[in-house]
Amino acid sequence: KNEVEQSPQNLTAQEGEFITINCSYSVGISALHWLQQHPGGGIVSLFMLSSGKKKHGRLIATINIQEKHSSLHITASHPRDSAVYICAMGRDDKIIFGKGTRLHILP
Amino acid sequence: EAQVTQNPRYLITVTGKKLTVTCSQNMNHEYMSWYRQDPGLGLRQIYYSMNVEVTDKGDVPEGYKVSRKEKRNFPLILESPSPNQTSLYFCASSPDWGFVGEQYFGPGTRLTVT
Repeated sequence: KNEVEQSPQNLTAQEGEFITINCSYSVGISALHWLQQHPGGGIVSLFMLSSGKKKHGRLIATINIQEKHSSLHITASHPRDSAVYICAMGRDDKIIFGKGTRLHILP
Repeated sequence: EAQVTQNPRYLITVTGKKLTVTCSQNMNHEYMSWYRQDPGLGLRQIYYSMNVEVTDKGDVPEGYKVSRKEKRNFPLILESPSPNQTSLYFCASSPDWGFVGEQYFGPGTRLTVT
């Protein structure tokens, strides 16, 4: 079993829909990150979480340490949100990545 | 501008011909790391460095070497590249080790080994 599981793998939605991407993990972690990879390949860090909830514009990230689960929400989705979203976590000094969720927002 | 740079961005080479991919950051970060990204496997950590002269293996270190002689630079060396090292490579840096700081990624290097 992978230490990090993301769901769904692929998601297509209409512009304006509320989007949720999930990340579950099985080991103790020091921090969890949500990353965004654009179609051109560049990777940008969206959030770093060790507890609770963070919000940036239309993006919200939550983490439940007891349940070993994190979610990334996008409100009022827009075609420019189309990208691959990756959760990643620190374990000791190493980093483990989920396989990513490919999001496609239709206009 | 705070950034991580990688060179080259694209490289096609032949099996066995030694190559180096450079990575440099201008943010005085202590933690630097190399990743490879492959379809169906996602991102995987190759090597990381917590400071000058301190490096350690990630999950897929076989066939790679690194060095950290200066804080800003963290080159990835393939002594004898093989076709299974064809991949998209990312360098990243962070002010904190253990993935507890914001991560800054380079633009990526697409390597093809024939």
